[in-house]
Amino acid sequence: EAGVAQSPRYKIIEKRQSVAFWCNPISGHATLYWYQQILGQGPKLLIQFQNNGVVDDSQLPKDRFSAERLKGVDSTLKIQPAKLEDSAVYLCASSPRLGMQETQYFGPGTRLLVL
Amino acid sequence: AQKITQTQPGMFVQEKEAVTLDCTYDTSDPSYGLFWYKQPSSGEMIFLIYQGSYDQQNATEGRYSLNFQKARKSANLVISASQLGDSAMYFCARLQYNQGGKLIFGQGTELSVKP
Repeated sequence: EAGVAQSPRYKIIEKRQSVAFWCNPISGHATLYWYQQILGQGPKLLIQFQNNGVVDDSQLPKDRFSAERLKGVDSTLKIQPAKLEDSAVYLCASSPRLGMQETQYFGPGTRLLVL
Repeated sequence: AQKITQTQPGMFVQEKEAVTLDCTYDTSDPSYGLFWYKQPSSGEMIFLIYQGSYDQQNATEGRYSLNFQKARKSANLVISASQLGDSAMYFCARLQYNQGGKLIFGQGTELSVKP
């Protein structure tokens, strides 16, 4: 079974530029998550989708971040315009469904550096 | 805030010895799930072990076991017979289900296995 795929793996941009990350979850997984992991910290949830609907986006900085999962499969996270503090690893995860025992499986992450 | 606390920023262990990584959590939820993930330098979060709050027995997965003490709100990870490949960051996380199932992560513990 293929794991969670993410691209690109690395991205370097100047501040105020825009950037987009792509995630393809494990086949059949209804729930998709985007986490932000700043260096030296644990990941923090940005947004969660159940199929193509948003379940939780309370910690997404909506003035600059947006995300979509149009057909309930793969997802795109965009930052426009980027700030220096957006430098982080962006992790995508998926799980079969919502539930107390549902393990979230993570992709390799995209490392973003904003200069 | 319902936090996860990992008090050991870094740990060293001799190869083939056992090591315990500490995790305490704060919650008022009667039902919750606890997870441990391993993050090697490549960046991917690898699922290790899960413990449900109502599980009667401590979880075990191969060389990994979870010392779950519900009254103390602790969920320590025990790795037996450490291997050089166990060197990585280890994160404890709690599933906050009433907000859609997001994982709340601790700060992590960096484990170094010495030959």
